[in-house]
This record gives sequence, C-alpha cells and structure tokens, in this order.
Amino acid sequence: QQQVKQSPQSLIVQKGGISIINCAYENTAFDYFPWYQQFPGKGPALLIAIRPDVSEKKEGRFTISFNKSAKQFSLHIMDSQPGDSATYFCAASRMGGGNKLTFGTGTQLKVEL
Amino acid sequence: NAGVTQTPKFQVLKTGQSMTLQCAQDMNHNSMYWYRQDPGMGLRLIYYSASEGTTDKGEVPNGYNVSRLNKREFSLRLESAAPSQTSVYFCASSEALGAGDRNYEQYFGPGTRLTVT
Repeated sequence: QQQVKQSPQSLIVQKGGISIINCAYENTAFDYFPWYQQFPGKGPALLIAIRPDVSEKKEGRFTISFNKSAKQFSLHIMDSQPGDSATYFCAASRMGGGNKLTFGTGTQLKVEL
Repeated sequence: NAGVTQTPKFQVLKTGQSMTLQCAQDMNHNSMYWYRQDPGMGLRLIYYSASEGTTDKGEVPNGYNVSRLNKREFSLRLESAAPSQTSVYFCASSEALGAGDRNYEQYFGPGTRLTVT
C-alpha cells in the first residue's frame, strides 16, 4: 500500500524557473514531513521539513506548502539552478512512533540551461 | 565526524550465500534504520532500532535480520540471498527524541550496492 504518493516522476525545468513536486499522504497520524535530495551515487540528504501545525515553511530557495485538510504537501524550488538537478523524495512519519519514514517514489529533476 | 559509514560499498553474491552489511554512526544518535532503494519504488524501511538492544520490523523485513551491537553500530544480515534482494541498501541514524524538528532529521550513509545473481 503506497501511503505517500509523489508526482511527477520526472521534471525538466529551465534555469531560473520554478520546480514544483507534489505529494499526498493517507495516514493522518503522520506529523513530520521531510523532503530529501539525492545525487547519483550518494545517500539522501535532508533538504527541508515541515510539521502539520504550519501551512508553509521557507528556507532559501526551497519552500514546503502544506494542506492538512487535503493531506497534501508540495516542494517549490524557486530560481532553479543546474546544481539542483537531482532526485527528490518526499516522506512522512510519526515522530512519536520511532520516526520511521515512509517515502514517496521520487522525482527526477533536471534543470536545463 | 564521519557521520554514517557503511561497508562494503559494493557486493556481488550468488543465490543462497549469506552476508552482513555493516553500519556505524558517530553522532551519538539513539535511532538507527535500514532502508532499501529500488528503481521506481523510493526507499522502503527494512528494520529499525530505537535504542541499543531493541529492534523492530519495518515495511519489508522478510529475508533479513539485524543486530544493534551497541549505540554506534547496526548491522543487516542476509542469511540466504535471493535475486529479489538486489538493491541499494542505506543505513540512517537520527536522534528521534525531543521537540525540535532537527532532532528528527535522518542522516544517511553512502549506501551499499548489492547484486544477487
């Protein structure tokens, strides 16, 4: 059962454009929603995370928008750069339940010049 | 600080062989995790350990065993490897306590790429 659904599977954006990746979750007990960035041959690294008590969180060019009633959250990358080309994973967990992450299936982002 | 280290980086096994993947962290984290990553499926949790001496199954535990040897080390064992276990394996660690969001960040190792023929 896919508890976290992610789209699109792949995304091509022009340099300077906005990249948007969407995720939807099913388990209302989830209370921690991180986004991870992964470069080829490397392990995932935390990019930004949000708790359900806020609707938006911004760190530099990266913003998470969170819609609790719709059980959806999204990552926006502003002014996308070629160095942002990577695979992005959304995830969700219950912090009090061991923080076991359930991941989306990933989005391969390519930023073209 | 090395963070999370994993050995080996690459391994090829024949069906039925056994092996142990090693993981160590130097961040004094309480919780440790093993995930597998397969194309188109994201990362899936195999086992996790909330603290030294405790382990629990994740989403895909069949065919695997784990040992939390001490607070630093968490190993994953394949007793009888199968081609379906061909994957990239990641170990992660996290403080996973307290109120701050940063306490729940999971730090991942570089991965072990395993092929079972």
